[in-house]
Amino acid sequence: NIVLTQSPATLSVTPGESVSLSCRASQSISTSIHWYQQKSNESPRLLIKYASQSISGIPSRFSGSGSGTDFTLSINRVESEDFSIYYCQQSYSSLYTFGAGTKLELK
Amino acid sequence: QVQLQQSGAELAKPGSSVKISCKASGYTFTSYYISWIKQTTGQGLEYIGYINTGSGGTNYNEKFKGKATLTVDKSSSTAFMQLSSLTPDDSAVYYCARGAMMVSPFAYWGQGTLVTVSS
Repeated sequence: NIVLTQSPATLSVTPGESVSLSCRASQSISTSIHWYQQKSNESPRLLIKYASQSISGIPSRFSGSGSGTDFTLSINRVESEDFSIYYCQQSYSSLYTFGAGTKLELK
Repeated sequence: QVQLQQSGAELAKPGSSVKISCKASGYTFTSYYISWIKQTTGQGLEYIGYINTGSGGTNYNEKFKGKATLTVDKSSSTAFMQLSSLTPDDSAVYYCARGAMMVSPFAYWGQGTLVTVSS
C-alpha cells in the first residue's frame, strides 16, 4: 500500500496568515494526489486534483504543488471558513489511500 | 446537479448485516463508477472499493473482501453496500462517492451513513 504522511497533524493560525500543508508519499506517485477539505459533520469536499489542478467553485486562495513524493496544499490568507481538516489522497495505485489529515485550527 | 442521497443511520447487533443505499440523481447513473469509503476516528478514511454501475463489475480493497458487497439497481439509480458479520470495528460513517470523469478523485459525495454495531 502507498502510505501518505501528512504534517503537521495540527496547525494553529490566525485569519489572514498564509499556510502550507504537507503530504509525503511512501513511493513516487507522479502527480496522482488530490486534496480534500472536511468540515465538522460534513462530507469531504474536493479542493485540488492531480497535485495542482484547480476545481470549479473552489476559492483561488487554495493551491497545490509537488510531484513524486512531496506535495503541498497552500492556503493564501486563511479565512475563518477554512478552519477544518484537510486530507490528501492518492490514485496512483488502484488501492486508493488517504493521509491521516491536518487539522487547521484557530490560534 | 449531481446528488448522492444515502440511507439513514443504522444500529446493528454484532454478527448481523446491514445494507446501506446511495441514490444518485442529476446525471446518467450508468456513466460513472460509485465508490465507497469508510471513516472512523481511529483509522481515518479507508477506501472500500468501487462498482461499475453499468456492468456491475466490482473492485475491492483486499481488506474489505468478504466484509463488503457492492451492488446496483439501475432501474432506481441506486448503489448499495452490504456489510456482513458485523463487529464493533465496523462502526463508522460510510460514504458513497463519485468521480468527475475517472473513479477518482471523488468530486461528489453522499452525506454519509452512520453504522453503529453494539449489543
